[in-house]
Amino acid sequence: GAVVSQHPSRVICKSGTSVKIECRSLDFQATTMFWYRQFPKQSLMLMATSNEGSKATYEQGVEKDKFLINHASLTLSTLTVTSAHPEDSSFYICSVKKTNYNEQFFGPGTRLTVL
Amino acid sequence: GEDVEQSLFLSVREGDSSVINCTYTDSSSTYLYWYKQEPGAGLQLLTYIFSNMDMKQDQRLTVLLNKKDKHLSLRIADTQTGDSAIYFCAETSSYGQNFVFGPGTRLSVLP
Repeated sequence: GAVVSQHPSRVICKSGTSVKIECRSLDFQATTMFWYRQFPKQSLMLMATSNEGSKATYEQGVEKDKFLINHASLTLSTLTVTSAHPEDSSFYICSVKKTNYNEQFFGPGTRLTVL
Repeated sequence: GEDVEQSLFLSVREGDSSVINCTYTDSSSTYLYWYKQEPGAGLQLLTYIFSNMDMKQDQRLTVLLNKKDKHLSLRIADTQTGDSAIYFCAETSSYGQNFVFGPGTRLSVLP
């Protein structure tokens, strides 16, 4: 397997502020990381694919200026929710793909609540 | 686009077998996965199966794949209360990327 961490695990913020969520691959270098969003009692929706050293690839309907993704190193990707609104409240989960492995390893998730 | 469907709820008694079903539409699926999510946590990979396989067994878990009908099932033998969770079926046609998840099946294990 692989160990993936996310920080913070929970965050509460006011409307209009920005929140940064970190995803770290702790035991291997990940050229590709994924960001998902999960609404209560719903499945995971892929938001974007984060590639180290290049721009992230966003899924249709996901605003790249609102959800800023930075994959500056092989072990760290960050998701910044800019000018957060209550409808951005959700569970955000990252995953990493290990080269030559056909599976994704998921982080524990970050619960964002925007007041 | 690709679609993955699952029944949303399943209740079983402790000690019984659980069978969680999944159907998918992408005929080019190469890998199919089962993930487990406990409350407030991320996803834990339980098992996966390559599309040229019919069955895979791993301790209490048995995965059956009917590629013709695009039907995948997960059987949990001797279900325990610790198995209560949401189980997600997922498929990919691109070697571990572009996962498509089902809506998840909430398994409740009754004493």
